[in-house]
Amino acid sequence: AQSVTQLDSQVPVFEEAPVELRCNYSSSVSVYLFWYVQYPNQGLQLLLKYLSGSTLVKGINGFEAEFNKSQTSFHLRKPSVHISDTAEYFCAVTFNTDKLIFGTGTRLQVFP
Amino acid sequence: DAGVIQSPRHEVTEMGQEVTLRCKPISGHNSLFWYRQTMMRGLELLIYFNNNVPIDDSGMPEDRFSAKMPNASFSTLKIQPSEPRDSAVYFCASSLRRSDTGELFFGEGSRLTVL
Repeated sequence: AQSVTQLDSQVPVFEEAPVELRCNYSSSVSVYLFWYVQYPNQGLQLLLKYLSGSTLVKGINGFEAEFNKSQTSFHLRKPSVHISDTAEYFCAVTFNTDKLIFGTGTRLQVFP
Repeated sequence: DAGVIQSPRHEVTEMGQEVTLRCKPISGHNSLFWYRQTMMRGLELLIYFNNNVPIDDSGMPEDRFSAKMPNASFSTLKIQPSEPRDSAVYFCASSLRRSDTGELFFGEGSRLTVL
């Protein structure tokens, strides 16, 4: 069975500081991995995805993530955050692109 | 292009009433998903359709929940009778199946409050 674990429910950080949001997955087969962002009172939108190829994936708004097969991780990073990055971030996994399994989310709070 | 459109955006009802949530997917997309989001459980997949056919409804909580997709441009999620524990935000999402992106496009959600 597939599962996704986001260890941090909340991550507070000051503006312009770097941030890492952690995601670990469990699967017995090859997976596709995603990060979605949810701004207040909105639906989710795709930040970035890993399907194959380079393990370092770049997404929108300056975010990037690295797929680490040996550690079954797909951590999200940004070298310098902005106030506007305050949102809920969801890691998700699928192996057939039909059904996405989401993690419980990490609330990123950026302070001035 | 219009995104996924959900209605109503907010619904407040009393326990025992029937609730119908509606979704219009992005034109050309052939997969549709219903998710429920709560603080306790996060995002849960309730059901998804491919080409209007329900593929996996294992996430539907119980018989009080039902979903239909009569055509490629419309889907409903019905709760009858509703209970306070059904209070949540319900999201509809669509995608182009078998694309190489695996990307879901979400609506803005329907916030349901059952009193």
